Amino acid sequence: EADIYQTPRYLVIGTGKKITLECSQTMGHDKMYWYQQDPGMELHLIHYSYGVNSTEKGDLSSESTVSRIRTEHFPLTLESARPSHTSQYLCASSAGTGVKATDPTNEKLFFGSGTQLSVL
Amino acid sequence: KNQVEQSPQSLIILEGKNCTLQCNYTVSPFSNLRWYKQDTGRGPVSLTIMTFSENTKSNGRYTATLDADTKQSSLHITASQLSDSASYICVVSDRGSTLGRLYFGRGTQLTVWP
Repeated sequence: EADIYQTPRYLVIGTGKKITLECSQTMGHDKMYWYQQDPGMELHLIHYSYGVNSTEKGDLSSESTVSRIRTEHFPLTLESARPSHTSQYLCASSAGTGVKATDPTNEKLFFGSGTQLSVL
Repeated sequence: KNQVEQSPQSLIILEGKNCTLQCNYTVSPFSNLRWYKQDTGRGPVSLTIMTFSENTKSNGRYTATLDADTKQSSLHITASQLSDSASYICVVSDRGSTLGRLYFGRGTQLTVWP
């Protein structure tokens, strides 16, 4: 069972609001990720982090930002939510260290339960 | 272009029956292939991870196969249970790039009926 938690599970907000999606893991993993997933579609990487004070943009352009001040915490923030941001947001972590993924066992991803965001 | 294609898109089977899900990929250079199970409204859970040299890997009633020459993988589910109803996602990782770039398929939605 993965020890990675996301809050809230569901969020319905109005356009223009600032929101923060929380993600925490208790496994001591260095690498953390944010994925976006629409129904019936593949996951898209929007942000990732190799460790504290490290953040990188993923493959999918996103207006969100992330921070990594503590190993266990990787929050995602939208400064001004829009209906186009409606989606499921999945946080994940993995035990791999360093920049390159060399050991697939260490790179196994553990996912949180996700936050379903609806912007009206 | 690196892609992961899964088939069928959806599948309905009766409880107790077996089924096989397919995954074709064009990711190169290949590092590893993973199968995940994603219940509705939840995050994906890892089922198997296979590297280039592995042909088969099992996890309980789930058996994944890999043919790196034809770039195909399958996930076989034996004696299906109602709890197997979920989306099954094939994920392929390339080798050498930073972060071990992951390519996700869109998943096969499996429904098991009693």
